[in-house]
Amino acid sequence: DAGVTQSPTHLIKTRGQQVTLRCSPKSGHDTVSWYQQALGQGPQFIFQYYEEEERQRGNFPDRFSGHQFPNYSSELNVNALLLGDSALYLCASSLGPTTRNSPLHFGNGTRLTVT
Amino acid sequence: GQSLEQPSEVTAVEGAIVQINCTYQTSGFYGLSWYQQHDGGAPTFLSYNALDGLEETGRFSSFLSRSDSYGYLLLQELQMKDSASYFCAVKGAGNMLTFGGGTRLMVKP
Repeated sequence: DAGVTQSPTHLIKTRGQQVTLRCSPKSGHDTVSWYQQALGQGPQFIFQYYEEEERQRGNFPDRFSGHQFPNYSSELNVNALLLGDSALYLCASSLGPTTRNSPLHFGNGTRLTVT
Repeated sequence: GQSLEQPSEVTAVEGAIVQINCTYQTSGFYGLSWYQQHDGGAPTFLSYNALDGLEETGRFSSFLSRSDSYGYLLLQELQMKDSASYFCAVKGAGNMLTFGGGTRLMVKP
């Protein structure tokens, strides 16, 4: 039973560029959330996708956008990269946004470095 | 908004018991979760409390007091492999989690 998979594992970009990160949820899960984790800090919620729509959004600018596909996989896009966007980007899947006891299953993340 | 406070670092010896506290302020609360993250790894789910009281899962237990906006994670019979960061997280509407800053646990022989 495959868990949450993310690609790529590492990425180096230059300020001003755009990046796309990818995530495949755990088998049987239909909801994908994205988190940003700066070094030494807790994950910060970016947004959540369910039924191919953005359902909730954290305090992140419009430069951060996403998409969910019919097979439940998801992409995170970041435009006009800033040095402060350097972080570990974590994808988490779960069962439905209203299934309160469904814990999040995280992928190993994509380490993004902006130079 | 939501905010969570937990100690930044805790050190304990192998075989001991350690308690990691978490206090929170929230505008919407459905439960308190705990996650473990080893360096370079993914956060993994440990425990969840929706109601007041103690939940036990093997060597790990978690406690919640909603009236005090307080919870803790208790780790017993510490092992070297328990050295990791531990995060408390408030579950809000729509299964969204707000994480604390994390507690780095160092287990010494």
